[in-house]
Amino acid sequence: DAMVIQNPRYQVTQFGKPVTLSCSQTLNHNVMYWYQQKSSQAPKLLFHYYDKDFNNEADTPDNFQSRRPNTSFCFLDIRSPGLGDAAMYLCATSRGGGGAKISDEQFFGPGTRLTVL
Amino acid sequence: AQSVTQLDSHVSVSEGTPVLLRCNYSSSYSPSLFWYVQHPNKGLQLLLKYTSAATLVKGINGFEAEFKKSETSFHLTKPSAHMSDAAEYFCVVTDWGSGGGADGLTFGKGTHLIIQP
Repeated sequence: DAMVIQNPRYQVTQFGKPVTLSCSQTLNHNVMYWYQQKSSQAPKLLFHYYDKDFNNEADTPDNFQSRRPNTSFCFLDIRSPGLGDAAMYLCATSRGGGGAKISDEQFFGPGTRLTVL
Repeated sequence: AQSVTQLDSHVSVSEGTPVLLRCNYSSSYSPSLFWYVQHPNKGLQLLLKYTSAATLVKGINGFEAEFKKSETSFHLTKPSAHMSDAAEYFCVVTDWGSGGGADGLTFGKGTHLIIQP
């Protein structure tokens, strides 16, 4: 089945120790998104890729970076995690529309829950 | 600009009774509207979507929603609640005509649905 896969499902890191979360998709979608979701809150978009075109949200901290080496994979790098970065991180994909950057229905992975000690 | 207001942070119903989760939106162009469900420690699953076709949209698990432009609403309903419906529900909007800003989805704050036995 076509899907969005996130690894690991649970990640524990230490304060200030870099961590990388991964996402892969078999949907062949153009657009991949990373969201941060804190407890009892709505997901908050961090950034997205339209193909290789990176789009950062204005309020995403510099501590958060992303890489998309190919269509299928996208990584979220947290350079120096703080206690406030503990959250669920959700990866999502969407088809995209022709040459226009149009958001369509998004397909979400199961998320990675990050704990910062 | 687009925004979403979910009018209730928590809704509690008895099993077998109707469910109503309320959502109002604002949109500058032609919105697409979605309802997503999130079970604990899981990713988001699409329940249904409106994309300018029929105003009454049927989704999975017996849910449906009606797009009412005059009221700028997109309320989610189900005739008979089941215990497995207990989850967090997010109303989401995106603007198709916002000129290429594939800036993801705008989420409401979520409604926590509680099902009483």
